[in-house]
Amino acid sequence: SQTIHQWPATLVQPVGSPLSLECTVEGTSNPNLYWYRQAAGRGLQLLFYSVGIGQISSEVPQNLSASRPQDRQFILSSKKLLLSDSGFYLCAWSVYTDTQYFGPGTRLTVL
Amino acid sequence: KNEVEQSPQNLTAQEGEFITINCSYSVGISALHWLQQHPGGGIVSLFMLSSGKKKHGRLIATINIQEKHSSLHITASHPRDSAVYICAVGNTGNQFYFGTGTSLTVIP
Repeated sequence: SQTIHQWPATLVQPVGSPLSLECTVEGTSNPNLYWYRQAAGRGLQLLFYSVGIGQISSEVPQNLSASRPQDRQFILSSKKLLLSDSGFYLCAWSVYTDTQYFGPGTRLTVL
Repeated sequence: KNEVEQSPQNLTAQEGEFITINCSYSVGISALHWLQQHPGGGIVSLFMLSSGKKKHGRLIATINIQEKHSSLHITASHPRDSAVYICAVGNTGNQFYFGTGTSLTVIP
């Protein structure tokens, strides 16, 4: 069966510090991978998606970046966090645009 | 204008009531998804549909491709159904667009 892992579950970081969130998927090959952010009181916002190793599409210009160094690994990074980066970050996978399976999420607070 | 619009934004119902949540979209889609997000944040996929109707337990999802509209129905609602329900559409370009969600509270 397929599983998706995200870590850490919660994170408190100061403004200007770097960020690295990791997502890994097990039990499937060549999945589409997605990073979403949900700000307080707002809907899900697609940040990045990837259809293969090294292939990243950015949906929203910002100070975040994503990388896919391995088939089932998706990393969200920032060199310098902003207050507005606070939110709930979700990783998801799917086969094309079939059912998406979401990870447990990372709650990021930037102080 | 958002690609996906949901209504209502908030909904309070008495236990046992029949509930309907609506979703309209403006983009071409390959499939429409209904998601459920619990207070802790975890998201579960309820339905994926591209035509007609699907049923799972007390949940029913319908879609009208011509009208670009979908509905999620909950029959005999229960307090454990309290959650945020999110409509999302996927297109052939591997992209997803999300509604802002409907917050449902079912009162015992």
